[in-house]
Amino acid sequence: DAGVIQSPRHEVTEMGQEVTLRCKPISGHDYLFWYRQTMMRGLELLIYFNNNVPIDDSGMPEDRFSAKMPNASFSTLKIQPSEPRDSAVYFCASSPSGGSPSEQFFGPGTRLTVL
Amino acid sequence: GQQVMQIPQYQHVQEGEDFTTYCNSSTTLSNIQWYKQRPGGHPVFLIQLVKSGEVKKQKRLTFQFGEAKKNSSLHITATQTTDVGTYFCAGPYQAGTALIFGKGTTLSVSS
Repeated sequence: DAGVIQSPRHEVTEMGQEVTLRCKPISGHDYLFWYRQTMMRGLELLIYFNNNVPIDDSGMPEDRFSAKMPNASFSTLKIQPSEPRDSAVYFCASSPSGGSPSEQFFGPGTRLTVL
Repeated sequence: GQQVMQIPQYQHVQEGEDFTTYCNSSTTLSNIQWYKQRPGGHPVFLIQLVKSGEVKKQKRLTFQFGEAKKNSSLHITATQTTDVGTYFCAGPYQAGTALIFGKGTTLSVSS
């Protein structure tokens, strides 16, 4: 298996632009997680899905952030409009079902810079 | 709210020295996981501890889960330059399936 795939790996955009981050989880994994990592705040859980259904989005910082999972093999995290404080590395992770919780497999991340 | 804290934030050692990072939770955990993130990389799962007082070893790494299941530690014996990175502990978030991560301990090793 190729592991969790994220695209793009790097994104540089200007304040006010829309940004869409993409994730393909490991086939067969029922859970998908979106995290944001910054030096100041560490690794923060933004939202997670179980069988394509959003379970907890309490970590989404504000209405500018939205996430979807239209099918078991694809998820997006959208920021509209983007702001400089959104600059961070965004990770997607997936895990199989069973147990509480299972090992999470992280993608390589998307490094977002908002100018 | 629920918190997972790690100390120290940074640690620099000479190659061959030992290293320990400590993890403390504000709540009792059903289990705890440890991850390693190399510079520029992504977190990679190392181990999961479930039982009170559990100790597990992976070569030079020793992981311990406290008796009260609120703290954990990772000890590396005789560090090597390949041990460089940030070590995170993580516990179940609100007793569910998601994880809450500590801020990590960044280890640097000089040869």
